[in-house]
Amino acid sequence: ETGVTQTPRHLVMGMTNKKSLKCEQHLGHNAMYWYKQSAKKPLELMFVYSLEERVENNSVPSRFSPECPNSSHLFLHLHTLQPEDSALYLCASSPGGLLVGETQYFGPGTRLLVL
Amino acid sequence: KQEVTQIPAALSVPEGENLVLNCSFTDSAIYNLQWFRQDPGKGLTSLLLIQSSQREQTSGRLNASLDKSSGRSTLYIAASQPGDSATYLCAVSQGGSEKLVFGKGTKLTVNP
Repeated sequence: ETGVTQTPRHLVMGMTNKKSLKCEQHLGHNAMYWYKQSAKKPLELMFVYSLEERVENNSVPSRFSPECPNSSHLFLHLHTLQPEDSALYLCASSPGGLLVGETQYFGPGTRLLVL
Repeated sequence: KQEVTQIPAALSVPEGENLVLNCSFTDSAIYNLQWFRQDPGKGLTSLLLIQSSQREQTSGRLNASLDKSSGRSTLYIAASQPGDSATYLCAVSQGGSEKLVFGKGTKLTVNP
């Protein structure tokens, strides 16, 4: 399998649940990203990891907890979410560490619904 | 704070028409600008990337221009096809980080 994959593709959870989103890239890239895409809002960057270290945390609430165990895998752990957290969560990767101007390659996203 | 605006929010055209999508940004200190395509329920696909020193990039029927000083970019699609129907997103990269700032997108429908 090639490119950037995300699982699950769809997730419904209650506000008291704990779940995790998984992203895997098969491109040999060194940087990985989590984005949130809400209805009628621009895509928002949540977290950036470069060489498995977090380099950007865009003022995201602590109920979202990222984990990057290696350069190929990225997780987003979710707990006590709110209905307004319902959105499409996109993962992306790019080749270099912090080289500006590289194209990011996106996964298909996880559609999350919080009840 | 950088803000990216895309006009129009939605556009419907007959097949074969040439069309232009617009993108504007408030801070001209960008490193590059990218145009992405997003199909319903799917991730983003990069179409064109223009470095700040460039004026335009072309790929097949797509041509993107950049006027950095005025904070504008356009995506020109020639001879549109129903398969071009998607949401087109514009994003700018600020110098010194990998952070992309996105517009809300233009939803394009090309009718057969």
